Amino acid sequence: SQQGEEDPQALSIQEGENATMNCSYKTSINNLQWYRQNSGRGLVHLILIRSNEREKHSGRLRVTLDTSKKSSSLLITASRAADTASYFCATDRGGSEKLVFGKGTKLTVNP
Amino acid sequence: DAGVIQSPRHEVTEMGQEVTLRCKPISGHDYLFWYRQTMMRGLELLIYFNNNVPIDDSGMPEDRFSAKMPNASFSTLKIQPSEPRDSAVYFCASTRPNRAGYTFGSGTRLTVV
Repeated sequence: SQQGEEDPQALSIQEGENATMNCSYKTSINNLQWYRQNSGRGLVHLILIRSNEREKHSGRLRVTLDTSKKSSSLLITASRAADTASYFCATDRGGSEKLVFGKGTKLTVNP
Repeated sequence: DAGVIQSPRHEVTEMGQEVTLRCKPISGHDYLFWYRQTMMRGLELLIYFNNNVPIDDSGMPEDRFSAKMPNASFSTLKIQPSEPRDSAVYFCASTRPNRAGYTFGSGTRLTVV
């Protein structure tokens, strides 16, 4: 069963704009991770945020986590055509090493 | 580091045939995961290993699926007999205990006709 659910399912923006993707989950977690998948490729780890953290940055990426609402957001600033990909959130279930992935947000950045 | 290596990249087989997918994790990673990705069901965890020992195989769809990890550098996922509904992309991933994130292989696209 899916633990994380991303919203929206698809997002189309122009190059230079910001892209925001949201993730909601159901049970308590130790950490939440975001991954990117280019078409036909494996997933690439972007960022991990722990349950005691509220915000984290990595380059043009900003992730927030609200454990009270069981939600997270991924912001990509100044998007580029190369950011076109599917983005997935993944959560563990406290005490387990396995990650459960959502179905992803498909982001298209138009040049 | 060559990353997580999966083979073959593509596999087309006839229904009823045995299929074996292979994975070499990153050296030093003692967790290994097998996932399956389809449009309908997304990414599903099939099984994962810790130090070559299967920890959770609750995601393995049925007895036709089996996975082994005979040593720290090699794992296989076998489907016998294969069925058209097994068509999917199968990913292997590995990680270390400090959970810096998974490293995924490029996947095996399996088509059962």
